[in-house]
Amino acid sequence: AQKVTQAQTEISVVEKEDVTLDCVYETRDTTYYLFWYKQPPSGELVFLIRRNSFDEQNEISGRYSWNFQKSTSSFNFTITASQVVDSAVYFCALRRDNYGQNFVFGPGTRLSVLP
Amino acid sequence: DGGITQSPKYLFRKEGQNVTLSCEQNLNHDAMYWYRQDPGQGLRLIYYSQIVNDFQKGDIAEGYSVSREKKESFPLTVTSAQKNPTAFYLCASMGWTSQRGGDTQYFGPGTRLTVL
Repeated sequence: AQKVTQAQTEISVVEKEDVTLDCVYETRDTTYYLFWYKQPPSGELVFLIRRNSFDEQNEISGRYSWNFQKSTSSFNFTITASQVVDSAVYFCALRRDNYGQNFVFGPGTRLSVLP
Repeated sequence: DGGITQSPKYLFRKEGQNVTLSCEQNLNHDAMYWYRQDPGQGLRLIYYSQIVNDFQKGDIAEGYSVSREKKESFPLTVTSAQKNPTAFYLCASMGWTSQRGGDTQYFGPGTRLTVL
């Protein structure tokens, strides 16, 4: 069975602090894909990153960075110098290989960045 | 602009009534999905369709029905058999794009359904 765990239900930080959102996944597949989405108060999910299981390189995009470690089945997301606009719910998701259509979402982490 | 539209944004329903949520995409994607989101929870899959005239049940299909007569459209009907339909409903389609590194889901803005 596949499962995604986001143990942090809610996190509050003060603007300009760095914050890391944890994501731990479970799968028996050797080929799989991991995602992060942002859900602002408007409700629509915004794509942040896609990572396949064979690419363990860390990714940096502006203030965002992702640390993928297969050894610990984790795909953590760090926001550097957080801003109020980063306040949202963040979801980690897992998809099986290209023949699987289903995605499994974690419960989400609500991030509040205070001014 | 390509994307996914959902209507209405807010929907109120009386108990015992069926209601249909609209989802349209102009991304030319084959696969489409319906998710339900309850407060403080993640997304749960209701139905998905890989191609026109074909669809499969997700994890929580009871009380819901769908159709896929056109590639662009994947409406969801919430029937009176759904015991607790008040929730936020998200529609998505999936397609390949080099900018995202492969197949990813694109989401609509959602419909918030409230049963009175």
